[in-house]
Amino acid sequence: DSGVTQTPKHLITATGQRVTLRCSPRSGDLSVYWYQQSLDQGLQFLIQYYNGEERAKGNILERFSAQQFPDLHSELNLSSLELGDSALYFCASSVQGRSTDTQYFGPGTRLTVL
Amino acid sequence: AQSVTQLDSHVSVSEGTPVLLRCNYSSSYSPSLFWYVQHPNKGLQLLLKYTSAATLVKGINGFEAEFKKSETSFHLTKPSAHMSDAAEYFCVVISYNNNDMRFGAGTRLTVKP
Repeated sequence: DSGVTQTPKHLITATGQRVTLRCSPRSGDLSVYWYQQSLDQGLQFLIQYYNGEERAKGNILERFSAQQFPDLHSELNLSSLELGDSALYFCASSVQGRSTDTQYFGPGTRLTVL
Repeated sequence: AQSVTQLDSHVSVSEGTPVLLRCNYSSSYSPSLFWYVQHPNKGLQLLLKYTSAATLVKGINGFEAEFKKSETSFHLTKPSAHMSDAAEYFCVVISYNNNDMRFGAGTRLTVKP
């Protein structure tokens, strides 16, 4: 158990809908990362937050947004969902958000768009 | 832009024999390099990381990796495979400012009894 929690574990929704994925980092970690894992694209880095501020951005679509709250939990919002958004979404956390930090991954949220 | 290539999508070994998972990278700067393991239906777990200190890095569960700048490689090895090593392995390169994080496509390791 990494100490990172993600909810929900599974999510099934329809095209065009909007969903919110939630992540709670390990106690003491200030940085949160979001990743998408799909059969087509493999693992892709989406976005990183550090202490409430956006730190780095990867291949995140404009239909997707994220934020980190004062209590350090984070939410990833996916809107106007398409079939291709079906994937496993991972959250990870690290202490300081540096490139040398170990990232601790949550168990993931499996999103199915029908 | 950085890139990372895992040279084998699938490696199969017998229990007790050595494991070699190959990773080549491309980066303009001195990157941080990681190996993560993913067991079925689980999140990723760090095996080891290179962050510009010693070039031979020891990780958990007997795994090692050697950073070779001249060959732009960061291959993962283990002297003797266990059944519990069967999993998907990812090589990751991260730029110094985190703005470029790249995962390899993964290598599925199968361990035969």
